[in-house]
Amino acid sequence: DAGITQSPRHKVTETGTPVTLRCHQTENHRYMYWYRQDPGHGLRLIHYSYGVKDTDKGEVSDGYSVSRSKTEDFLLTLESATSSQTSVYFCAISESFAGVVNGEQFFGPGTRLTVL
Amino acid sequence: GDSVTQMEGPVTLSEEACLTINCTYTATGYPSLFWYVQYPGEGLQLLLKATKADDKGSNKGFEATYRKETTSFHLEKGSVQVSDSAVYFCALPGGSQGNLIFGKGTKLSVKP
Repeated sequence: DAGITQSPRHKVTETGTPVTLRCHQTENHRYMYWYRQDPGHGLRLIHYSYGVKDTDKGEVSDGYSVSRSKTEDFLLTLESATSSQTSVYFCAISESFAGVVNGEQFFGPGTRLTVL
Repeated sequence: GDSVTQMEGPVTLSEEACLTINCTYTATGYPSLFWYVQYPGEGLQLLLKATKADDKGSNKGFEATYRKETTSFHLEKGSVQVSDSAVYFCALPGGSQGNLIFGKGTKLSVKP
């Protein structure tokens, strides 16, 4: 199994509070992604990173920011959490762009976030 | 843009029943196609893939054939087991962002 961990695994927070989710990998993969999973929507891309300090927005980036100061860590921050951000968040990694085409995108175990 | 449409569940089957989960796609060209599986409490993992038209991907008794004529990649298994209970996602590469585009997922429950 690819070495991907996410922390915390579960979190309950209140509307308006900041929240940071962490993704840590031991595979030295260049690409990292944050997805959210919601019933009836599958997985949708929030942000992604193609290298240290190189990040870009995905399909549903509003209300989220990311940072990647080291190859192994990719942080997702909700500056002011809202109930619509209640979801399961998955981190994924890929060694290369071509690797994604080959199905070589590996997922972490997920973080279940509840915003009250 | 590119997209994936898959049948929505939930699907409930008895053990040893046949399974088909439909998936159709819209894409420019002929992208690779994937089925990912998510077991309860876990992240997604690649189940099988096909990289060109008429390819058949297979793994763990599951099969899917890349049909460009019908733009489909249906997942099939001849005899499901309780351990196959999971959510199944059809997906394709998302283009310039290097991500995957997923269908909405189909939850399969297999009863003994």
